[in-house]
Amino acid sequence: DTEVTQTPKHLVMGMTNKKSLKCEQHMGHRAMYWYKQKAKKPPELMFVYSYEKLSINESVPSRFSPECPNSSLLNLHLHALQPEDSALYLCASSQVSGDNNEQFFGPGTRLTVL
Amino acid sequence: AQSVTQLDSHVSVSEGTPVLLRCNYSSSYSPSLFWYVQHPNKGLQLLLKYTSAATLVKGINGFEAEFKKSETSFHLTKPSAHMSDAAEYFCVVSGVTGFQKLVFGTGTRLLVSP
Repeated sequence: DTEVTQTPKHLVMGMTNKKSLKCEQHMGHRAMYWYKQKAKKPPELMFVYSYEKLSINESVPSRFSPECPNSSLLNLHLHALQPEDSALYLCASSQVSGDNNEQFFGPGTRLTVL
Repeated sequence: AQSVTQLDSHVSVSEGTPVLLRCNYSSSYSPSLFWYVQHPNKGLQLLLKYTSAATLVKGINGFEAEFKKSETSFHLTKPSAHMSDAAEYFCVVSGVTGFQKLVFGTGTRLLVSP
């Protein structure tokens, strides 16, 4: 299984809502990533988890809260978002070490903040 | 520090003609280089990768790329374009091993006309 799944595919939320994005992989990868992608731009790294511990936080605002409950799951909890947070949120996974370090991406969650 | 420059923001070809998407990189050590493709409203799919083995890398869907250290280039080619190749293509550089931050180029939009 070389697939990364993400739910939901689309999400519309108000600025006072709390919602969560979910990501799952069963490739045995122990590194998982969250990216944000605005229209016509490359993805921007937000967070990296390695062995279920947060390894990189790219100075993301605290209204985004990541969680890695186990080696297969990655969540992104959203609270009090702003309209400029509307974007495609991509999850990816990879091996932590070795030559096969390519990242596998999920299809993304299209988030709209009203 | 690492960086990637994609020399064309848009490339237009006719179906059945060759494709050339240009990428130059900068890295203070031997890099891993990737090409990813993103179809509209989809996640990123890995086309091919270079990790210091053969300099000519073959990928999926008939794409290939040649690593030229002297020119610091990693151009993507395909002998004959298909309508389904129309998408956004990202050239990406990373460290050789281990999970690393991916550095994305700004992307090249490939347009294929009948």
